[in-house]
Order: sequence, then structure tokens, then C-alpha cells
Amino acid sequence: DIVMTQTPLSLSVTPGESASISCRSSQSLLDGNAGYTYLDWYLQKPGQSPQLLIYTLSFRASGVPDRFSGSGSGTYFTLKISRVEAEDVGIYYCMQRIKFPLTFGGGTKVEIK
Amino acid sequence: QVQLQESGPGLVRPWGTLSLTCAVSGDSFSSSSWWSWVRQSPGKGLEWIGEIFHSGNTNYNPSLETRVAMSIDTSKSQFSLKLSSVTAADTAVYYCARYSYGTGGYRFDSWGQGTLVTVSS
Repeated sequence: DIVMTQTPLSLSVTPGESASISCRSSQSLLDGNAGYTYLDWYLQKPGQSPQLLIYTLSFRASGVPDRFSGSGSGTYFTLKISRVEAEDVGIYYCMQRIKFPLTFGGGTKVEIK
Repeated sequence: QVQLQESGPGLVRPWGTLSLTCAVSGDSFSSSSWWSWVRQSPGKGLEWIGEIFHSGNTNYNPSLETRVAMSIDTSKSQFSLKLSSVTAADTAVYYCARYSYGTGGYRFDSWGQGTLVTVSS
């Protein structure tokens, strides 16, 4: 299985500041034929189901503010949240979908100071 | 807008079979979507269980493959999960989700609210 490792485990951010979450995969997530990197980001707000933020490395899901951006390549990826707001609290997960079984990172908990 | 709703017993006896159903509204099962199950053990992260296509084709997580069976009933707009020989380690919130295709490939763009299943005698 592809192992997904996220850092940090938790993050406390002042509203209006930026935050970055890292995700590393044990294998490359680049599909050389399609030219896509199959790395997605999900946010699970307290008491809710996960919701899609970013897919295929950097595509923002419908309705997701442009404060959220995904980047990276190969095996190292970053989710950046610009101008953090109170509604951004929750646990962020990266997920790979280049190979079965689909696997998730352990999650990064974001809190507001 | 697609909506998914899980249903099923919240308590299953050890070594019994967990059975859940996901009712789908707002989507045609003849689309290119795969219909998936993901679980989250208490205080833990997310684990992909498997997926089913409207044709009945399935893909399962190898770690659960010997105990998992998924089915789909397009006439009722629902799909189901069966997990046999359950133990306390299978206690989790079970989510159903749509794995839909678009520009950039597949992604989990819709999720049910989740249902807690506890394995206990």
C-alpha cells in the first residue's frame, strides 16, 4: 500500500495568517500517461463528514474559496490556506488515488488561536 | 445535488455480519461514478473499504477483501455493504461516498453523514 504521511499533526493559526500542511507519499503519485498527479485534500469539520477541497493536486472543488491551494510534485505535496478564517477549523487529510487501495494521510488538526 | 444517506444497525455482535445500505438521490446510477464505502474508527483516520460500479464491478481494500461484499440496486438507487466476521476493530463510523469523474479524474465529491456501527456483545 502507498503510505501517506502528513505533517504537522496539529497547527494553531491566528485568523488572517497563512497555514501550510505537508503530505508525503511512499511512491510517486504522478500518472505519466495522463500527466496528472493523483493527490486530493479533504477537510473534516467537527462533527461532519469529510468534504473535498482540492483534487488532482491543484484543482479546487466547486465552492471552495481560492484561499485554498494545492501544490507539489512526485511524492511531496502542500496544502496552503491563505488568510485563515474561523470556519477553516477541522482535520485535513491528504489522499492518494493512483493505486488501490486508496489511502489517506493520518490527518492534520487545524485550530484557531 | 446528489445526496447520500447511510442506514443499518448501530450494534453488531462479534463474529456477526455488518450490513449497511446507502440511499442515493439526485444522481443517475448509469453515470460514470463509482459508489464507495469509507470508515473512520473512533479517534482515528480514514480507511477506504471499497467501491462498486453500476455494472456490479467492485474493487476492495485487500486488507478487508476476504470479509467484504458490496452490491448495488439501481432500481432502488441504493448500494450496500456487508462485512462479515466483525470484531471490535471494525467499530467505526461508516461513510458512503460518490467517487465521480470529471476534469482531472475521479474524486470523492459527495459523502453521506456517516453512521456509527459498534461491535459489542
